[in-house]
Amino acid sequence: ETGVTQTPRHLVMGMTNKKSLKCEQHLGHNAMYWYKQSAKKPLELMFVYSLEERVENNSVPSRFSPECPNSSHLFLHLHTLQPEDSALYLCASSGTWYRTDTQYFGPGTRLTVL
Amino acid sequence: EDQVTQSPEALRLQEGESSSLNCSYTVSGLRGLFWYRQDPGKGPEFLFTLYSAGEEKEKERLKATLTKKESFLHITAPKPEDSATYLCAAVKAAGNKLTFGGGTRVLVKP
Repeated sequence: ETGVTQTPRHLVMGMTNKKSLKCEQHLGHNAMYWYKQSAKKPLELMFVYSLEERVENNSVPSRFSPECPNSSHLFLHLHTLQPEDSALYLCASSGTWYRTDTQYFGPGTRLTVL
Repeated sequence: EDQVTQSPEALRLQEGESSSLNCSYTVSGLRGLFWYRQDPGKGPEFLFTLYSAGEEKEKERLKATLTKKESFLHITAPKPEDSATYLCAAVKAAGNKLTFGGGTRVLVKP
């Protein structure tokens, strides 16, 4: 595997389910990001981790819970979601958070909340 | 408030018909301006980074330029495979936080 991978690619869940999205980067980077991409809206940054420490939380509802066990893996735990949470969730990584650095994106997880 | 605005929202071109996409930004302390390409159902693919006004970068049929208020992505003699959504994003001082524009959907017809 190369670059940034995400699983699953598609997910359908009910409002009462609990699920997790997984992201893995094979680039040796120290920073990882979660973004939400909804139709007709710009990409929105959700969370940023730098060396496994959360450094940015963009006022995201608590029904989204990130986890970064090491610098290569990032999870987004989902529970009690709403239909408006349906979107493409993108993971990205960069060499560092502390200076301007190219972010490389994964293919995304298409989430549908029923 | 930091803002990035892209225009037009959509662009239909004939193969070979050159055009330009605009990205205007109001970001204080700009540290970098990124261009990405996104195909349907996929993640954004990095194209260019521009750091200072006057800078230009080229890749195949694409050329990106930067002024103090906006950036342009010029597509020269496009081919159908250039059809995609093109995203620009700005980074300001302190941290690597990208503020994205809404994107321009480009369709190149043969």
